[in-house]
Amino acid sequence: NAGVTQTPKFQVLKTGQSMTLQCAQDMNHNSMYWYRQDPGMGLRLIYYSASEGTTDKGEVPNGYNVSRLNKREFSLRLESAAPSQTSVYFCASGGGPYNEQFFGPGTRLTVL
Amino acid sequence: KNQVEQSPQSLIILEGKNCTLQCNYTVSPFSNLRWYKQDTGRGPVSLTIMTFSENTKSNGRYTATLDADTKQSSLHITASQLSDSASYICVVTPGSGGYNKLIFGAGTRLAVHP
Repeated sequence: NAGVTQTPKFQVLKTGQSMTLQCAQDMNHNSMYWYRQDPGMGLRLIYYSASEGTTDKGEVPNGYNVSRLNKREFSLRLESAAPSQTSVYFCASGGGPYNEQFFGPGTRLTVL
Repeated sequence: KNQVEQSPQSLIILEGKNCTLQCNYTVSPFSNLRWYKQDTGRGPVSLTIMTFSENTKSNGRYTATLDADTKQSSLHITASQLSDSASYICVVTPGSGGYNKLIFGAGTRLAVHP
């Protein structure tokens, strides 16, 4: 089992460019999440999908959109990247009685 | 406001020594508390999960304690190894339908030196 995979691992964008971060899980979890991690701060939830076909905003959704393509895949799109979106992005999936979350390896994004 | 605060921010210890990391939270109601280990350049990995009714849980050399009355948790690492060098993150799940909206501390960065 690969667990949670993310692509790409690294990306550099110019201000105003768009891109999509891809995430897939093979644990048959219903819930999937996108977080960003900035220096000195805890992970912050951008969007989540409690089940296939549903998505909801988290703490910091502005500037992002998501798509739950199927049960396995959950993508994050930046329509017009800004330097404030420079961060490390983590995808996670959750399951079990406590909805334990399993994280992918992260995407390091720099917006110039 | 629901918050999770961790101390110290960073810590350096010698290989073989023990250490204790602290977590204070103001989340209420509270469902469970988790500790994650995050190696540099990797995603967080779960170490322990404790419900409000549990006061200790171990995972090998890692032992987490929870005092729900004082809203404090600690993570004790015994006989540290170089591979323990990582950030340790305390995470609280709110009790009111908050399973999808975890609250993360900023982490304690631990460096184990030979």
